[in-house]
Amino acid sequence: GEDVEQSLFLSVREGDSSVINCTYTDSSSTYLYWYKQEPGAGLQLLTYIFSNMDMKQDQRLTVLLNKKDKHLSLRIADTQTGDSAIYFCAEHTSGTYKYIFGTGTRLKVLA
Amino acid sequence: GAVVSQHPSRVICKSGTSVKIECRSLDFQATTMFWYRQFPKQSLMLMATSNEGSKATYEQGVEKDKFLINHASLTLSTLTVTSAHPEDSSFYICSASTFLGRGQRVEQFFGPGTRLTVL
Repeated sequence: GEDVEQSLFLSVREGDSSVINCTYTDSSSTYLYWYKQEPGAGLQLLTYIFSNMDMKQDQRLTVLLNKKDKHLSLRIADTQTGDSAIYFCAEHTSGTYKYIFGTGTRLKVLA
Repeated sequence: GAVVSQHPSRVICKSGTSVKIECRSLDFQATTMFWYRQFPKQSLMLMATSNEGSKATYEQGVEKDKFLINHASLTLSTLTVTSAHPEDSSFYICSASTFLGRGQRVEQFFGPGTRLTVL
């Protein structure tokens, strides 16, 4: 079945870059998403990438996709304390509604 | 942007009672709504998918009679946890979906979640 894995924790210093990684197994994935969840809150869509793209940049966020290795990463430049949250990747196949979420990475930004 | 609300945000109830959680899409009509459950420090687990006017499709292992879902309109879905027990305590998140026109990308817009505590 589909499986989406992430490392559980990441700790960085304020101002450094953060890189959160995600691996997935479903080769039919069409879109891959990054969501942010702050404590006690729902999910906020940060960005997404279409599977025929290698990279997408959106201000401080850079998404890299290696479709061959089924590896997705999110780079946050100049990480701030407000970036501390849990980050979920999710994959979705076009024509379906179902999203498969990763296990989540807890990012802690040290001042 | 699309906004999804949930009510209540927090609920505490006694064991054996039923609790209803509402999910509303405020500024768009949702073709489909989803209900997720999230345990502490864990990922979201899809419980069921509901389309307006039809029965919900439950994921394997989710009890239909325990978690009743009603999707009466294109802007409202409800999840009722019947005869709640402490093990039902969790964070419940809904999302609403609509086609965005180009291609077949289906974006899900998430509600803020409901924290259920069963004593």
